[in-house]
Amino acid sequence: DIVMTQTPLSSPVTLGQSASISCRSSESLVHTDGNTYLSWLHQRPGQPPRLLIYKISNRFSGVPDRFSGSGAGTDFTLKISWVEAEDVGVYYCMQATKFPVTFGGGTKVEIK
Amino acid sequence: QVQLVESGGGVVQPGGSLRLACAASGFAFSRYDIHWVRQAPGKGLEWLVLITHVGGNDWYADSVKGRFTISRDNPKNRVYLHMSSLTSEDTAVYYCARDQGLHLDYWGQGSLVTVSS
Repeated sequence: DIVMTQTPLSSPVTLGQSASISCRSSESLVHTDGNTYLSWLHQRPGQPPRLLIYKISNRFSGVPDRFSGSGAGTDFTLKISWVEAEDVGVYYCMQATKFPVTFGGGTKVEIK
Repeated sequence: QVQLVESGGGVVQPGGSLRLACAASGFAFSRYDIHWVRQAPGKGLEWLVLITHVGGNDWYADSVKGRFTISRDNPKNRVYLHMSSLTSEDTAVYYCARDQGLHLDYWGQGSLVTVSS
């Protein structure tokens, strides 16, 4: 199975400042069809996860443009350009290039 | 609007069985693959299973293979997850989610399953 490793585990940030989360996969996430099926999800306390970014860098409908994704191969990054109060919660990366689908362990973003 | 609603959770004894349902609305259900993902209390997300839109193919995580069975009823816009030989390690919130090209774009609110004597 592909192992997804996220860092940091926790990220205390100041409102208005930026935050970055790293996700590394144990093998390349480039699919034989040429796509890279790496997505990012956000989960607020008591809520289901919601999709933010898919295929590395595509923002899902309604996701603010302060969220951006980048990376290739085995190394990926989610950046929040300026953190707002509603951004607190846990962020997960997820790969679906190779089954079984696997998730990173999560990064908790909290306000300082 | 797209909506997924899980039901069927509850308390079950170790070794018991339970069937979860995922009711879909607001989209052409028969055209989409559906996943189940779970989250144990205070833990991260664990993918369990995928069923393709026509129901002809499915893929399972090793942790549930042989114990869990997924099925779907397209005319009723429902996916089912039949779970058997349950242990305390299966205690979790179970989510169904829609697949939109190998990313999960809409999730249900989840259904809590507690395995306890």
